[in-house]
Formats: sequence, structure tokens, C-alpha cells
Amino acid sequence: AQSVAQPEDQVNVAEGNPLTVKCTYSVSGNPYLFWYVQYPNRGLQFLLKYITGDNLVKGSYGFEAEFNKSQTSFHLKKPSALVSDSALYFCAVSPDTGRRALTFGSGTRLQVQP
Amino acid sequence: EAQVTQNPRYLITVTGKKLTVTCSQNMNHEYMSWYRQDPGLGLRQIYYSMNVEVTDKGDVPEGYKVSRKEKRNFPLILESPSPNQTSLYFCASSPLKTSGINNEQFFGPGTRLTVL
Repeated sequence: AQSVAQPEDQVNVAEGNPLTVKCTYSVSGNPYLFWYVQYPNRGLQFLLKYITGDNLVKGSYGFEAEFNKSQTSFHLKKPSALVSDSALYFCAVSPDTGRRALTFGSGTRLQVQP
Repeated sequence: EAQVTQNPRYLITVTGKKLTVTCSQNMNHEYMSWYRQDPGLGLRQIYYSMNVEVTDKGDVPEGYKVSRKEKRNFPLILESPSPNQTSLYFCASSPLKTSGINNEQFFGPGTRLTVL
């Protein structure tokens, strides 16, 4: 069975500092990996995805993520955090073949302090 | 405007009273899915559908039913709701490649369900 772990319930960072939100995964075969963001009282919004190719993926709002196959990780990063980045972030994985289920992590709340 | 709509947005009901939450998308997406979101558990997939008349169980299908008679609609049915189904529910859709879910999903605004 596939799974996603987001080891930190909350990440606190000062505005202007770099941020990292961690994600590790387990899946049979090759992974399709995603990051989504949820603002208060809203549905989830897509940030970025890794399907194949370059291990560094760039997405919306200046976010990027690095795929590391040997560590089965897909950490979300941003060079300079904004207060408006404060939200709930979800990592998700799907296998590239077989059952078309998508599994999400438990979420990490990012708090950016002014 | 491309969107996924859900109705109702809020629902309070009692144990055992059948209910349906509707989901509709106007993007001609093949893939549709239902999730529930609970604190500390993230989103868990209930059911998904890869196309009309094709549905499959997600990670937490017990107590739920779905149908996909039309491409745009994917209703979630709770035949006999129980308090442990109190949750925030999201519907999502995505274009589907033959190689799997490699496209972003578009999420509806959510339905907050309370079962007393």
C-alpha cells in the first residue's frame, strides 16, 4: 500500500527566511508526487508536481520541490517566505501504474511570522 | 469559469437519515474523487471514478456509495449516516492520462457534514 509521511505538524519561519516542508513517501513502482496548499475555509489548490525528469520542480507562488529517489523524499521549499504563505500544506503520491488512488499526507501547517 | 461545485456546503443531519452530497465539474474531466478531511489525518480518499460507470474504492469507503452515470456528476451517498462520518468532504476532478494520475486535481469548496 502506498503512504505519505509529513513528519512535522507545524513549521514556523520568519518572513524573508527560507522554508522547507518535509515529505517522504512509499509507493510501488515510480511515484507521481504532488504538493497542494489549503488556505482557511478553502479547498485545496495545486502547487506543483513531479512526474519524471528534472529532480527540481518549480511551481506556483515561488515554491519548488526536490525529488530524491534514494531517500524517497519530496520536500517543499521556498527561498524567501512571505506572511501570505501561512497555510496548510499537503503532500500526495500516486503510482504510475495500476490502481489510480491518490494518497495524501496528514498535512503541515506553515506559520510565517512578520 | 472552470470549477468543481458541491452542494450543500453545510449539512447537519441525524443518524440514519439518508443523504446525498452532489458534485459537478464543467471541465470534461474523466477522473473524479471524493475525500474526507479530518484533523491530524489529512485527506483520505473515499471513492474515485476513472470515467462514466467506472468507480473504485479508496482508502475509507465503508458507509459510502457513489455513482457515475454522467461524466460531469459524481454524487456521494450516505445511506445510513453515523456520527463518525462527521467530517469535511471534498470532491475533486482531473483529466486522466492512461499512465495514471499525473495531472493536478481541481477541488471543490468542501461540504461540512455533521451527523448527530
